[in-house]
Amino acid sequence: AQKITQTQPGMFVQEKEAVTLDCTYDTSDPSYGLFWYKQPSSGEMIFLIYQGSYDQQNATEGRYSLNFQKARKSANLVISASQLGDSAMYFCAMIFRGNFGNEKLTFGTGTRLTIIP
Amino acid sequence: NAGVMQNPRHLVRRRGQEARLRCSPMKGHSHVYWYRQLPEEGLKFMVYLQKENIIDESGMPKERFSAEFPKEGPSILRIQQVVRGDSAAYFCASSPSRTSGIYEQYFGPGTRLTVT
Repeated sequence: AQKITQTQPGMFVQEKEAVTLDCTYDTSDPSYGLFWYKQPSSGEMIFLIYQGSYDQQNATEGRYSLNFQKARKSANLVISASQLGDSAMYFCAMIFRGNFGNEKLTFGTGTRLTIIP
Repeated sequence: NAGVMQNPRHLVRRRGQEARLRCSPMKGHSHVYWYRQLPEEGLKFMVYLQKENIIDESGMPKERFSAEFPKEGPSILRIQQVVRGDSAAYFCASSPSRTSGIYEQYFGPGTRLTVT
């Protein structure tokens, strides 16, 4: 069975510092993808970054980068130069192919990030 | 190009009433997924539908919950005889048709259901 683990329920970080949000996963499938989503207090799910299991390089999107360590089954999100607007819940999710050929997303429990001015 | 639309954004129901949540996928997308987020938790998969077909409902509660995606119109998630434990945010996501590879699912803004 697929499982995503986020061990940091909450984090406080000073503005302008870099922050790393941890995510480990467990799957026996060779083909999968890893996502990070941001959920601000308004509630919508905002896609941040995606890493495929066969991608050779770590994904980057602006201030976001994904530290993908396949052997360790970890996919940590790194946010550089944090801003007050980064305060939100962050979810790590894994996409895999289900029994019916469809993609299914399984989510971690999230990390609440608070940026301190 | 409009994104995934969900309505209503907020829904209040009394215990025992029915709740109907609607989802219009992105233009050109024929795959719809419903997820439920209980307070302070991550999203959990409920059901996957294509037009006129339920493909995977392994995450749906066996009773009171049903979903459809008709040939015309939005996908509907129906909850009959709601109870307080049904209070949650319900998210819809859509993805395009594909023959291989893994595709991102695009999320709607969610419907927040409150059962009083």
